[in-house]
Amino acid sequence: KNEVEQSPQNLTAQEGEFITINCSYSVGISALHWLQQHPGGGIVSLFMLSSGKKKHGRLIATINIQEKHSSLHITASHPRDSAVYICAVRSEGAQKLVFGQGTRLTINP
Amino acid sequence: GAVVSQHPSRVICKSGTSVKIECRSLDFQATTMFWYRQFPKQSLMLMATSNEGSKATYEQGVEKDKFLINHASLTLSTLTVTSAHPEDSSFYICSASDSGKSNQPQHFGDGTRLSIL
Repeated sequence: KNEVEQSPQNLTAQEGEFITINCSYSVGISALHWLQQHPGGGIVSLFMLSSGKKKHGRLIATINIQEKHSSLHITASHPRDSAVYICAVRSEGAQKLVFGQGTRLTINP
Repeated sequence: GAVVSQHPSRVICKSGTSVKIECRSLDFQATTMFWYRQFPKQSLMLMATSNEGSKATYEQGVEKDKFLINHASLTLSTLTVTSAHPEDSSFYICSASDSGKSNQPQHFGDGTRLSIL
């Protein structure tokens, strides 16, 4: 079993829909990252969380440390949100990140 | 904001060629940088942790003599794929965080798409 599991693996939705991507992990962590990878390959760091909730524009990320679970929400989704979203965790005392398999999101106009 | 520059973005070369990829932190210092490899439709796989002024730490199964890493300054790490073969064709990407501050996010380069003919 992977240390970081994401669901769903693929998600297709219509423009305007509310999107939720889930991430569960099995180790104690010092931080959880949500990353966005566009078709060209470049990766953008969206959020780094260790507790609670963060919001940036239409994106919201939450984390529940006790349940070892995080969600990424996109409100009023748009075709330009189409990308692969990756959850990654940094274990306590570690430097490196452990990555989930990614969620491929497609927003149709 | 913090930027990591990776160069080149794409390389196409013949089998047997050695290819060097650079990863620079443009406005911060990074004592540690990470090198990843990604096959199509798969997640990032950590290859090695690059440490400024000392030897890199390689993940299990990654040949250190095949993938040479040099981190000679606080803003530059290089990955050299030596005597590349078609099976080395992949997407390589680096990341770094500001070592001068605590609890910083990782910043990623735009990646290098390597194609070995």
